[in-house]
Amino acid sequence: DGGITQSPKYLFRKEGQNVTLSCEQNLNHDAMYWYRQDPGQGLRLIYYSQIVNDFQKGDIAEGYSVSREKKESFPLTVTSAQKNPTAFYLCASSTLGPTEAFFGQGTRLTVV
Amino acid sequence: AQKITQTQPGMFVQEKEAVTLDCTYDTSDQSYGLFWYKQPSSGEMIFLIYQGSYDEQNATEGRYSLNFQKARKSANLVISASQLGDSAMYFCAMREQGGSEKLVFGKGTKLTVNP
Repeated sequence: DGGITQSPKYLFRKEGQNVTLSCEQNLNHDAMYWYRQDPGQGLRLIYYSQIVNDFQKGDIAEGYSVSREKKESFPLTVTSAQKNPTAFYLCASSTLGPTEAFFGQGTRLTVV
Repeated sequence: AQKITQTQPGMFVQEKEAVTLDCTYDTSDQSYGLFWYKQPSSGEMIFLIYQGSYDEQNATEGRYSLNFQKARKSANLVISASQLGDSAMYFCAMREQGGSEKLVFGKGTKLTVNP
């Protein structure tokens, strides 16, 4: 089955620890995206990538880092520099051009 | 810079009636795409409809249609014959094409369908 997989679904971490969220797609999509969603809010773009080994900052990149070493994978690291990391994180992928983005099921991160 | 504005935090509609969810956008690009997604309480993002900036006709997908007014930079979603299952958050999004491919979303509208 083709799709985009985020893991884990729920993640708990202690304050001050870095944590990495996984995003894998087998759709052969070039573009991948990471979003943060707070309760009752819209999706805010953290990072995006159009091609392997290249990525761009979105609107709220501070405190986050990404890598794109393989076309299929776009992991997001939430660093200790992120002041309020508790949120719902969504990963998406798409082909370039006039097509929709497909989303993973999301990771709910809680920092205690 | 790209920007999406959804001015209706919440909307209510009676079952079987039609409802329009507003979306305006701002971009300096000539080539872009506009999208609508539905997010039920489960959190998944469901793609509903797409409109390209060069498309002359409004997009339609079943009960969903997109009222695209390019000069006004608006891309409103019309849901006809509302159903209880339509209750969800609805997000408008835009992606500049042929360049950055940056995909940005509005803050969303929470739609409640009443029986």
